[in-house]
Amino acid sequence: DADVTQTPRNRITKTGKRIMLECSQTKGHDRMYWYRQDPGLGLRLIYYSFDVKDINKGEISDGYSVSRQAQAKFSLSLESAIPNQTALYFCATSDSLAGTVNTQYFGPGTRLTVL
Amino acid sequence: QKEVEQNSGPLSVPEGAIASLNCTYSDRGSQSFFWYRQYSGKSPELIMFIYSNGDKEDGRFTAQLNKASQYVSLLIRDSQPSDSATYLCAVRPNSGNTPLVFGKGTRLSVIA
Repeated sequence: DADVTQTPRNRITKTGKRIMLECSQTKGHDRMYWYRQDPGLGLRLIYYSFDVKDINKGEISDGYSVSRQAQAKFSLSLESAIPNQTALYFCATSDSLAGTVNTQYFGPGTRLTVL
Repeated sequence: QKEVEQNSGPLSVPEGAIASLNCTYSDRGSQSFFWYRQYSGKSPELIMFIYSNGDKEDGRFTAQLNKASQYVSLLIRDSQPSDSATYLCAVRPNSGNTPLVFGKGTRLSVIA
């Protein structure tokens, strides 16, 4: 089984709908991240969480919200989807162990299309 | 604003040649540096990381770091068509508890 899973893998929705993307991990990591990727724009950080009680905005948080339900689960919501939120969304995790480089590991991605 | 710059490419090399991918970063205090490979439509996967000046080798891959020049590179020896992908450089800023900062990636095409 994959260490970082994302559901759904593909989603087509309409403008104005509420959408939730879910991420689960079995790596035992305490840090989790949400990115979106658009052609030519690279990976852009939406939100990140360093533990269950910690939520931080990234560079493009407007229009998104997150919930860290447990150490292993981190959900991303689009309250009212709009077409320019069409993108590939990745969840990532890392540990926080001192003396390590805290590599980020990515889930398989969710392709979201907003019509 | 901490930045990581990469040439977007495409970088085209013949099969069997050495591919050289470059990355510069703005935060002089950055501590660790990562190279990820991403196939089209797939997620980034870690190739290797480096945190000391000099070279680090792993199979056909060599990462090179020069902190004085704020420059990190990835060499791929004996390039194969399966190496054709986008390569992302990522940097951990010196501000401690912050996520990696990613470059936009360089697209590599290995021609058979």
